Amino acid sequence: ELKVEQNPLFLSMQEGKNYTIYCNYSTTSDRLYWYRQDPGKSLESLFVLLSNGAVKQEGRLMASLDTKARLSTLHITAAVHDLSATYFCAVARYGGSQGNLIFGKGTKLSVKP
Amino acid sequence: DAEITQSPRHKITETGRQVTLACHQTWNHNNMFWYRQDLGHGLRLIHYSYGVQDTNKGEVSDGYSVSRSNTEDLPLTLESAASSQTSVYFCASSPGLGTTGELFFGEGSRLTVL
Repeated sequence: ELKVEQNPLFLSMQEGKNYTIYCNYSTTSDRLYWYRQDPGKSLESLFVLLSNGAVKQEGRLMASLDTKARLSTLHITAAVHDLSATYFCAVARYGGSQGNLIFGKGTKLSVKP
Repeated sequence: DAEITQSPRHKITETGRQVTLACHQTWNHNNMFWYRQDLGHGLRLIHYSYGVQDTNKGEVSDGYSVSRSNTEDLPLTLESAASSQTSVYFCASSPGLGTTGELFFGEGSRLTVL
């Protein structure tokens, strides 16, 4: 059974600090996706990682993918309050490009002053 | 701008009633999906379609059905609503094979079954 596990599930950070969210998965997928969800809102695509060693950065967020370890990380640098949200990683269910994704349970990030 | 819209955004219904949630996308994407989101479970796939007349069951399909008569629409029907189907439902679409496989989500439909 394909599993996608995120940790931590809850993260309370102080502004200015760094932290990493981990996403482990159990299949040999080379595609991994990160989404952000604000309370009561839809999911917004953050990063699409399509190969081993892929690294993408947007502002204070950087995502990487290690397909051999079946691990992706989302690193937060110098957190600010605006980053407070729930972050989901997702993996292609059958390893393809059809968009059939299985999601982790999400990491709820709260950034406090 | 191309988009994906869901309706209704909020609905309250009674146990046993039939409910249909609409999903319409204007991206001309081949693939469409329905997920439900519940606390502690993340997003779980209900049904999906890879093109017109194609439908497939996801991991939590019991009590739900879909039909795909055109590219733009994938309505989700709850044949006889149950309290366990109280949830937030998200429709999503993806261009299909040969692309990044990225999903684009609608705004969600919050369903309460009393």
